[in-house]
Amino acid sequence: ETGVTQTPRHLVMGMTNKKSLKCEQHLGHNAMYWYKQSAKKPLELMFVYSLEERVENNSVPSRFSPECPNSSHLFLHLHTLQPEDSALYLCASSQDRGQKETQYFGPGTRLLVL
Amino acid sequence: AQKITQTQPGMFVQEKEAVTLDCTYDTSDQSYGLFWYKQPSSGEMIFLIYQGSYDEQNATEGRYSLNFQKARKSANLVISASQLGDSAMYFCAMREGLNNAGNMLTFGGGTRLMVKP
Repeated sequence: ETGVTQTPRHLVMGMTNKKSLKCEQHLGHNAMYWYKQSAKKPLELMFVYSLEERVENNSVPSRFSPECPNSSHLFLHLHTLQPEDSALYLCASSQDRGQKETQYFGPGTRLLVL
Repeated sequence: AQKITQTQPGMFVQEKEAVTLDCTYDTSDQSYGLFWYKQPSSGEMIFLIYQGSYDEQNATEGRYSLNFQKARKSANLVISASQLGDSAMYFCAMREGLNNAGNMLTFGGGTRLMVKP
């Protein structure tokens, strides 16, 4: 595997379900990110982890819970979601700091909440 | 105020012609970086090109070039010789500060480019 991978690629869940999204990076980076992309809205940064510590949490509802067990893996645990949480969830990784460091993205998980 | 503005929600271009996608930004930092990403319908964000605020020359990567006008705070993406595979959403993004922890980017709203055969 190369780059940034995400599983599952598609997910349909009910509002009472609990599910987890997984992201893995094979680039040797030390920072990882979760973004939410809804239709007709700019990309929204949800969580940032740098060196496995959370750096940023942009006022995301508590029904989204991130976990970063090591620098290569990032999870997003989902519980009691709402239909408006349906979106494309993108994971990215980069080297922390350094102006030129690029974020590399995974293919995303398309989530539908019924 | 928005930090990154992309004023063209959608654009058409004829195959083999060049196209310019606009991006303006707002920052008070002296040191910053500007990025362009491509997002095909599959969803993955693909990095295209980077321009640093102190770079004296416009960045180029193959058919992509960045028309960087610092005084006007614009960083337009130029795609030469458009191909059908260039049809996608294009996002401009900015990183402010030299060493912001977590290396965070701010994204614009995107431009949908459609290449006509």
